[in-house]
Amino acid sequence: QVQLVESGGGVVQPGGSLRLSCAASGFTFSSYHMHWVRQAPGKGLEWVAFILFYGSHEYYADSVKGRFTISRDSSKDTVYLQMNSLRPEDTAIYYCVKDSGAWAFDQWGQGTLVTVSS
Amino acid sequence: QSALTQPPSASGSPGQSATISCTGTSSDVGGYNYVSWYQQHPGKAPKLMIYEVTKRPSGVPDRFSGSKSGNTASLTVSGLQAEDEADYYCSSYAGNNTWVFGGGTKLTVL
Repeated sequence: QVQLVESGGGVVQPGGSLRLSCAASGFTFSSYHMHWVRQAPGKGLEWVAFILFYGSHEYYADSVKGRFTISRDSSKDTVYLQMNSLRPEDTAIYYCVKDSGAWAFDQWGQGTLVTVSS
Repeated sequence: QSALTQPPSASGSPGQSATISCTGTSSDVGGYNYVSWYQQHPGKAPKLMIYEVTKRPSGVPDRFSGSKSGNTASLTVSGLQAEDEADYYCSSYAGNNTWVFGGGTKLTVL
């Protein structure tokens, strides 16, 4: 079955950096687009970033553009989220999500918590 | 990239129906047939319930149905059961490879 396992979350000071990883299994990773979606504590879902299956194009929410970078390594079946210049408002659970092929989010990881605080 | 508008809460008695609305603009909900709905129980990851406005993934009960009219999409849960109590989020493709979510609706089964 499909598994998405995030790692790399933790506590970081404002202005700091963190790199999240998501190891995928149970499907042909190189054939699917991937997303990152986040959820601040007690709040709703927010789409963060998207990368095409062939990895050459990335897209971002305005709130993270210029600070976050999504990438993927099909040799490792892994997608990454490099987060720089972190702000307290970036505090959230970050979910790695597989695109269904029909512009929907059909498989979700368990999430990894990022806390930005001094 | 403004969030879609959902009511904060909805409710219904067991066996009855509940409908949750999701209002966007012609740049998202009204412009594409790529509206999806997600169910999230406390402490769990979201689960896809409806995609492409009306389609149900394998394993989702047919008690869940979706529709759209203009800039507003709706999720209807028929024959409410206790396990349907959860938060529900709508999402829409918003063009240029971007997506937007609604603020979420807490569904209570009375």
